[in-house]
Amino acid sequence: DQQVKQNSPSLSVQEGRISILNCDYTNSMFDYFLWYKKYPAEGPTFLISISSIKDKNEDGRFTVFLNKSAKHLSLHIVPSQPGDSAVYFCAASGGSEKLVFGKGTKLTVNP
Amino acid sequence: GAGVSQTPSNKVTEKGKYVELRCDPISGHTALYWYRQSLGQGPEFLIYFQGTGAADDSGLPNDRFFAVRPEGSVSTLKIQRTERGDSAVYLCASKLTVNTEAFFGQGTRLTVV
Repeated sequence: DQQVKQNSPSLSVQEGRISILNCDYTNSMFDYFLWYKKYPAEGPTFLISISSIKDKNEDGRFTVFLNKSAKHLSLHIVPSQPGDSAVYFCAASGGSEKLVFGKGTKLTVNP
Repeated sequence: GAGVSQTPSNKVTEKGKYVELRCDPISGHTALYWYRQSLGQGPEFLIYFQGTGAADDSGLPNDRFFAVRPEGSVSTLKIQRTERGDSAVYLCASKLTVNTEAFFGQGTRLTVV
């Protein structure tokens, strides 16, 4: 069973607008959540994280929101830039050191 | 080096052969991870080292897969009797402490023909 789900395989937005990437999880033991960005032929690059004791974490243009009751998190990118075009992975951990990843959402930011 | 280094970048091998994939973590990072990413999927956990010991190898798919980290730094992932289904990108990551971000290498793309 898939414990971390990213239900949108792709998302396309205009430059300057907001990008919202969504992630749902099923395991209530998860207490740490991360977003990674991946360009082709490169490894995933850490973007931002949030602990379950918080409901929001912000870093520049990137904000992650966590709704524990809904087991849902989202990544907001404002304003979106063409260089943000990449595959975004949501990942979670809890009770162990291993990260459980979603399948990713491919974001395309059009100039 | 500044980041996690993986060699080779690409490896093509024949079915049934043995392969070794190498990971050089960020200096000072005691935790090291191996993940495997198949096409269209997110990375899947294989094994985690804390220092020299494998703290969690629950993700290794079968006994053809083995990993070592003899001196607590460089790690080698070993795959015996490779099968076509082993074709994937093998990612290594390291991190400093628990509940911090893991830093990934660029991966080794393994193709079994």
